[in-house]
Amino acid sequence: DAKTTQPPSMDCAEGRAANLPCNHSTISGNEYVYWYRQIHSQGPQYIIHGLKNNETNEMASLIITEDRKSSTLILPHATLRDTAVYYCIVRVDPKAAGNKLTFGGGTRVLVKP
Amino acid sequence: DGGITQSPKYLFRKEGQNVTLSCEQNLNHDAMYWYRQDPGQGLRLIYYSQIVNDFQKGDIAEGYSVSREKKESFPLTVTSAQKNPTAFYLCASSLQGPGSNQPQHFGDGTRLSIL
Repeated sequence: DAKTTQPPSMDCAEGRAANLPCNHSTISGNEYVYWYRQIHSQGPQYIIHGLKNNETNEMASLIITEDRKSSTLILPHATLRDTAVYYCIVRVDPKAAGNKLTFGGGTRVLVKP
Repeated sequence: DGGITQSPKYLFRKEGQNVTLSCEQNLNHDAMYWYRQDPGQGLRLIYYSQIVNDFQKGDIAEGYSVSREKKESFPLTVTSAQKNPTAFYLCASSLQGPGSNQPQHFGDGTRLSIL
């Protein structure tokens, strides 16, 4: 699986958009980008995933650059409950590999009032 | 509601004792996984199973065992051979299928401590 690089921490203001970057410069053509978040002492929560097109769901938007070497998770209106560690994960097509998710250090996001 | 249930939430083990962590899902997912998380670190894969009666070792399987006798259940046994079992254990499941890129969904974890 390709390695990902995320900033260790970031703050954002409640009600504003939070833009979380992720670099995955060694990504290959069949690798998907997944985002999860983990609130303290809970299991990781799936947010969104994509291959090359931008994706949006009720939680967030995922913007993937055209060369697929980086992506940005956008939380459109951050709330205090969005305070968590956010993980960007690149995973090979599950048909081809063992399906494991490799979690790196993630970005610790603190939403401030 | 559909989801993944892990029990117990907290578990204490005595030295030399085996303990079993429960994971049940009612999502009709084919694949199930066990991860370990140590403080301040990411998740590491212990075992995974893609179908009933079949499972594979992950990156840190030593000292652990699993079974997959039913689709909805994937219990993890932490044996006395696991010398550093204190950790947060997470179970996950996902839908399989040809061309599937379905995400894994997690339970709320079991925190295991040594007495």
